[in-house]
Amino acid sequence: KQEVTQIPAALSVPEGENLVLNCSFTDSAIYNLQWFRQDPGKGLTSLLLIQSSQREQTSGRLNASLDKSSGRSTLYIAASQPGDSATYLCAVTEGAQKLVFGQGTRLTINP
Amino acid sequence: KAGVTQTPRYLIKTRGQQVTLSCSPISGHRSVSWYQQTPGQGLQFLFEYFSETQRNKGNFPGRFSGRQFSNSRSEMNVSTLELGDSALYLCASRGLQGPNTEAFFGQGTRLTVV
Repeated sequence: KQEVTQIPAALSVPEGENLVLNCSFTDSAIYNLQWFRQDPGKGLTSLLLIQSSQREQTSGRLNASLDKSSGRSTLYIAASQPGDSATYLCAVTEGAQKLVFGQGTRLTINP
Repeated sequence: KAGVTQTPRYLIKTRGQQVTLSCSPISGHRSVSWYQQTPGQGLQFLFEYFSETQRNKGNFPGRFSGRQFSNSRSEMNVSTLELGDSALYLCASRGLQGPNTEAFFGQGTRLTVV
């Protein structure tokens, strides 16, 4: 059974810092890995999608990497801003388009 | 291009009642999945529909059911509501290219059972 773990569960940093969020998964038989952002009480906003054959994807200040063989992904956020405060979720897609989610990292950027 | 639309946004129901939630996917998307989000369990997969057929089902009791219409809109039904069904229910849609495509989520329906 696929299990996805995110570390740390919560992170608080001052504005302007670069930071890394971690995601690990137990079964490497995945189609892809997706990073999402969730604001309180809201739905999920897709940030980056990495196919299983890819090593990394970039979008603006965000960079996500994938090491499928070791079951790990990282989300790097450069020059963090207060607006980046949210919960970040990673999820892997396995058979029949099912997403398996981690518990999320609650990120707070302090002005 | 409109995103994934879920209605209603908020619902309050009494134990024992039933409820129907609706999800309209992005235009052209035919795969719709449903997820339940609670503080204790996180996000859990309920089921996935493609072209009106349920292709995959999560580990939820039979009180949870769904369907998809020919226009790809999907409904989820929960019968005999329990307090533990209180949650944020999210739906996601994907394009025709299947599991290698990005999943897009709606804003969710917040269900409160009292």
